[in-house]
Amino acid sequence: DTAVSQTPKYLVTQMGNDKSIKCEQNLGHDTMYWYKQDSKKFLKIMFSYNNKELIINETVPNRFSPKSPDKAHLNLHINSLELGDSAVYFCASSQGPDREYSDTQYFGPGTRLTVL
Amino acid sequence: AQTVTQSQPEMSVQEAETVTLSCTYDTSENNYYLFWYKQPPSRQMILVIRQEAYKQQNATENRFSVNFQKAAKSFSLKISDSQLGDTAMYFCAFMFWNSGNTPLVFGKGTRLSVIA
Repeated sequence: DTAVSQTPKYLVTQMGNDKSIKCEQNLGHDTMYWYKQDSKKFLKIMFSYNNKELIINETVPNRFSPKSPDKAHLNLHINSLELGDSAVYFCASSQGPDREYSDTQYFGPGTRLTVL
Repeated sequence: AQTVTQSQPEMSVQEAETVTLSCTYDTSENNYYLFWYKQPPSRQMILVIRQEAYKQQNATENRFSVNFQKAAKSFSLKISDSQLGDTAMYFCAFMFWNSGNTPLVFGKGTRLSVIA
């Protein structure tokens, strides 16, 4: 019973292509996130959604576009891929406010994106 | 803006011994949470322990405990009776609470090796 799942786990593609990473959570959480982990293992927030609404959009190139079709899904679409986009992308989710342990974020397994 | 500093890029410990990983943070906020996440070679981000800033009592989870010093803005992780399975990257993370979830701010991580 996977709590937060991502597909695909590995993605190898050529520069200039467009790709999507999908994320689904079955925890009934209200808030979902995308984080990027670079080659030095540093993790940084990209986007945050609460109940399908974008609430945080860090300084990320507009080639990256998140889409939340419903509360359980948050997909990441990347246009015109560049070499520097190579990284591990993590999806995470947490409860909405006013719920017990709503502060804790649960992570998906990550998607390793390699741009050639 | 909040920052998290982990000053030990790498550490090693003998099996069954105790090791302490350091973390300091900088914030002007009063309402926040602190976390330690573990990332083994499998890449999965696993929550190890969480601490609510308004609680003075240090959090404990089995062999893992923290030393939370709010005035000093210090949040170290102690691992007792180290096991080979504890070998992983350990990330300290900060979350500001603002009537709802905000993203995690991570330190750069400490790579821990447990030696048989």
